[in-house]
Amino acid sequence: QSVLTQPPSVSAAPGQKVTISCSGSSSNIGNNHVSWYQHLPGTAPKLLIYENNKRPSGIPDRFSGSKSDTSATLGITGLQTGDEADYYCGTWDSSLSVWVFGGGTKLTVL
Amino acid sequence: EVQLVESGGGLVQPGGSLRLSCAASGLTFRSYWMHWVRQAPGKSLVWISRITTDGSGTGYADSVKGRFTISRDNAKNTLYLQMNSLRAEDTAVYYCALGLGYCSGGTCYLGYWGQGILVTVSS
Repeated sequence: QSVLTQPPSVSAAPGQKVTISCSGSSSNIGNNHVSWYQHLPGTAPKLLIYENNKRPSGIPDRFSGSKSDTSATLGITGLQTGDEADYYCGTWDSSLSVWVFGGGTKLTVL
Repeated sequence: EVQLVESGGGLVQPGGSLRLSCAASGLTFRSYWMHWVRQAPGKSLVWISRITTDGSGTGYADSVKGRFTISRDNAKNTLYLQMNSLRAEDTAVYYCALGLGYCSGGTCYLGYWGQGILVTVSS
């Protein structure tokens, strides 16, 4: 059971928009920044969003992040088949002094 | 360009030991926290350990506490994970990751990742 809660799967058609939620508590999301990662099996996970809503160089602006209280959301617009992957949220847990991930969300682009 | 390359994985019997290494290049290794993350077959990413810049501070997930030890050699730009008393449930791809930001300030994130190395625990 992951400390952060994500939906197991989401799906949408090419060109559409999808959002992925991540729910935590005051000891993690509530008091720390959230980051998001894209993971294709067999490859290195890739940082998509850091500090809640910032994109690293090279990440297109189709990807966005937001945070409110103890929840965070990843948004992906203009969906492409290449976006099919597992997406994870993560943050520091101040009470446990450990890093925590969500359980991951599998995105299917129909 | 930042590169993280894991090595040392393989097949080990239950109860055995293995040491993973993560060689870093393209960065000032001693300036960053480092982490280990694993993914069991068909499962999610799970964080398992972290180490501070000088190695004086470490942290572990409950699932590996007392069995795994994280360490680093800043002169060699290398991170290690000593895994003892291995169990079947430790079978996973293990990733090293570079920590950016400041965890104590709540701004940290895992900025760069290695390709991963497979550890299989089986008799």
